[in-house]
Amino acid sequence: GPKVLQIPSHQIIDMGQMVTLNCDPVSNHLYFYWYKQILGQQMEFLVNFYNGKVMEKSKLFKDQFSVERPDGSYFTLKIQPTALEDSAVYFCASSPTGGDAEQFFGPGTRLTVL
Amino acid sequence: GDSVTQTEGPVTLSEGTSLTVNCSYETKQYPTLFWYVQYPGEGPQLLFKVPKANEKGSNRGFEATYNKEATSFHLQKASVQESDSAVYYCALGIYGSSGNKLIFGIGTLLSVKP
Repeated sequence: GPKVLQIPSHQIIDMGQMVTLNCDPVSNHLYFYWYKQILGQQMEFLVNFYNGKVMEKSKLFKDQFSVERPDGSYFTLKIQPTALEDSAVYFCASSPTGGDAEQFFGPGTRLTVL
Repeated sequence: GDSVTQTEGPVTLSEGTSLTVNCSYETKQYPTLFWYVQYPGEGPQLLFKVPKANEKGSNRGFEATYNKEATSFHLQKASVQESDSAVYYCALGIYGSSGNKLIFGIGTLLSVKP
């Protein structure tokens, strides 16, 4: 079936540094999402993105977070600066339409902030 | 707010036995309900969804009924196989003018022994 790719699979950085997580969504999809899962906890919605804009963000989506998808390339999540509590697995997802369309998930990027 | 509560794992079963994973939810909205399954090293993938109350969804022998009165969406399978070993997530789909998002339960790790 359709695949969402995420690069890198693992990232280790020092607190205060900037990190960019990359997502290659399914090619004809129009809606994009990021979710965050801290070890042992629920996967939580961070943000959704459509037509070049953030549509909704949760309270977890701090001011240090930003997303973009320049010119139909990767959908990225940037954290600048990072904090210890940003350590988690970040899942990207995409869907062809809004509403209750199936969201296709990538395998996740495990971010460790030291 | 919106939330999902599901059976905490791990759940260990022998092949051929029956499975029930309980899921209950809270929301003031009109959600679509989902079951996602996640295999090691992969992102969650849709098992099935049910958009309307009192309807049943099914796939690969798994089934669940959207019970609006009881606010439940329990996952059942009559006879599990070793290949069903995975993490199962119950999720609430919330949609509005600001886009859509999934609210996940904690996930239930199922291990099926031959």
